Amino acid sequence: AQSVTQLGSHVSVSEGALVLLRCNYSSSVPPYLFWYVQYPNQGLQLLLKYTTGATLVKGINGFEAEFKKSETSFHLTKPSAHMSDAAEYFCAVRNNRLAFGKGNQVVVIP
Amino acid sequence: GAGVSQSPSNKVTEKGKDVELRCDPISGHTALYWYRQSLGQGLEFLIYFQGNSAPDKSGLPSDRFSAERTGGSVSTLTIQRTQQEDSAVYLCASSLAEIIETQYFGPGTRLLVL
Repeated sequence: AQSVTQLGSHVSVSEGALVLLRCNYSSSVPPYLFWYVQYPNQGLQLLLKYTTGATLVKGINGFEAEFKKSETSFHLTKPSAHMSDAAEYFCAVRNNRLAFGKGNQVVVIP
Repeated sequence: GAGVSQSPSNKVTEKGKDVELRCDPISGHTALYWYRQSLGQGLEFLIYFQGNSAPDKSGLPSDRFSAERTGGSVSTLTIQRTQQEDSAVYLCASSLAEIIETQYFGPGTRLLVL
């Protein structure tokens, strides 16, 4: 069975600072990995995904994530936080259905 | 519209009543998923439909929960004899068949059981 661990339910970051959201997964087969974002009062939307190939994946809004098999990680980063990045972020792993982490609520401090 | 739609957007019910939640997937998507989003619990998988295959019901929390998908399109999630702990946002998603494909989520139904 697959599972995802996201530490730190609430993450505060200063505007302009690095955003780093950690995701570790377990999967019995090569994983497909996803980051979804949920803006206030909106549905989930895909930020980026890793399936095969290049391990550094770039997504929307300047986010990127790197798949590290040796560390079973798929951490999400953005070099410079913007106020509009305030949202909840979910990491997910899939081999059949999607298993989500508990999410990180990101607050951007001006 | 082109996205996944869900109805109703909000539902308030009394404990013990039955509720039905509806999901209209994106046209052409053969896979359909139901999730539950509870405060502090993240997203919990409930059930997965793929084409004409038997659904994966392994995430349903109790036998009060059931779901159907008619004609490979619209799906209904039914909760019988609702309990207060059923209060949550119920999300539907659809995707193309292949497992690497992106799931597209609907806006959810916010259920409150009084």
